[in-house]
Amino acid sequence: GVTQSPTHLIKTRGQQVTLRCSSQSGHNTVSWYQQALGQGPQFIFQYYREEENGRGNFPPRFSGLQFPNDSSELNVNALELDDSALYLCASSPRSSDTGELFFGEGSRLTVL
Amino acid sequence: DQQVKQNSPSLSVQEGRISILNCDYTNSMFDYFLWYKKYPAEGPTFLISISSIKDKNEDGRFTVFLNKSAKHLSLHIVPSQPGDSAVYFCAASKAAGNKLTFGGGTRVLVKP
Repeated sequence: GVTQSPTHLIKTRGQQVTLRCSSQSGHNTVSWYQQALGQGPQFIFQYYREEENGRGNFPPRFSGLQFPNDSSELNVNALELDDSALYLCASSPRSSDTGELFFGEGSRLTVL
Repeated sequence: DQQVKQNSPSLSVQEGRISILNCDYTNSMFDYFLWYKKYPAEGPTFLISISSIKDKNEDGRFTVFLNKSAKHLSLHIVPSQPGDSAVYFCAASKAAGNKLTFGGGTRVLVKP
């Protein structure tokens, strides 16, 4: 399945954070979502073959990477209090009959 | 602009009865509609999806109905079981594997 690390972390405002994700075997598309408390997940960006393939309404201080082994990173610079959220990674094959994305358990970030 | 809306934040139902969850969308370009279930401290788990060329899809106890003219979909769970107690999200995408736009979720409580 999709694995994410770390599961929980605490940072202070202004710091930088890197979250990691390993996609499900055979999946070459990875996307990241932010889920604030009490809300649905919001799309941050998607990567396919190491290239950004779509971006949501997030500022440039949110950046990502996808590696040749289809693992991925989400980097957030200059952390703000509102960045406190559950960050979800999802992977999918390039084509799918169901449109399903496979989600990891998430990394919960708290910014103090 | 919230393109996918779940207007009922919570739903309580007796075990064995039907749970009906509703979702409305505004973007006519959406082509796939999905339902995810989420337990606390876990990532979203895919339940069922439907493409825009269909109006109904069944999988065991779960049935999704799509009314394109009304831009409305619903999820029926019959019979409801205590293990179904979770938060349910509807989501939509413009193509299979593309970014998902989520609703805000409906918390379901199934009482024994």
